[in-house]
Amino acid sequence: SAVISQKPSRDICQRGTSLTIQCQVDSQVTMMFWYRQQPGQSLTLIATANQGSEATYESGFVIDKFPISRPNLTFSTLTVSNMSPEDSSIYLCSVGSDVSVSYTFGSGTRLTVV
Amino acid sequence: AQKVTQAQTEISVVEKEDVTLDCVYETRDTTYYLFWYKQPPSGELVFLIRRNSFDEQNEISGRYSWNFQKSTSSFNFTITASQVVDSAVYFCALRTSGTYKYIFGTGTRLKVLA
Repeated sequence: SAVISQKPSRDICQRGTSLTIQCQVDSQVTMMFWYRQQPGQSLTLIATANQGSEATYESGFVIDKFPISRPNLTFSTLTVSNMSPEDSSIYLCSVGSDVSVSYTFGSGTRLTVV
Repeated sequence: AQKVTQAQTEISVVEKEDVTLDCVYETRDTTYYLFWYKQPPSGELVFLIRRNSFDEQNEISGRYSWNFQKSTSSFNFTITASQVVDSAVYFCALRTSGTYKYIFGTGTRLKVLA
């Protein structure tokens, strides 16, 4: 299965600032996803990162707040913009291919907004 | 509607005890996939198992076993002779054939006490 490098692993940020999280995969993958896990909660899909086109956002998530880039089949970024303490969460990148039913998850970025 | 229910929020056991984590799912699709993931305190999601809807054979892997029952829409996970290293949050997830999305349960926090 693919190996994912997600950076940073954790960060403490001031409210009103933005943080960009990177997801690098060691092989080309068709599907890349971004999830949010709020403290003590389950995982919620933010968006599907589409290569060469705009990401597909889930209900409740908007591009202005969570802009996503995916310039190629091995890399994606998620930006958390104009952060507030409510954005404190673990953000996880997940990848899969058309033939892969099981997705691989990155190690996550633990974000704290103060 | 698709849904995954993990009714057990937290379970505590003493080391070497057996423990079963429950997962009940809802879907109208006839082809679907069920998963278990482990999330240790470090935050990453570790894939444990995938089960296809058309394969009701139970699975055993070392101390881990999974009981898939379509009749009751359940996919329970048993750890035999639990160890402290098993302490983690365990997530059950559902994916249907017509979508790339995972539906996660709310997770069960397992604490194994020495």
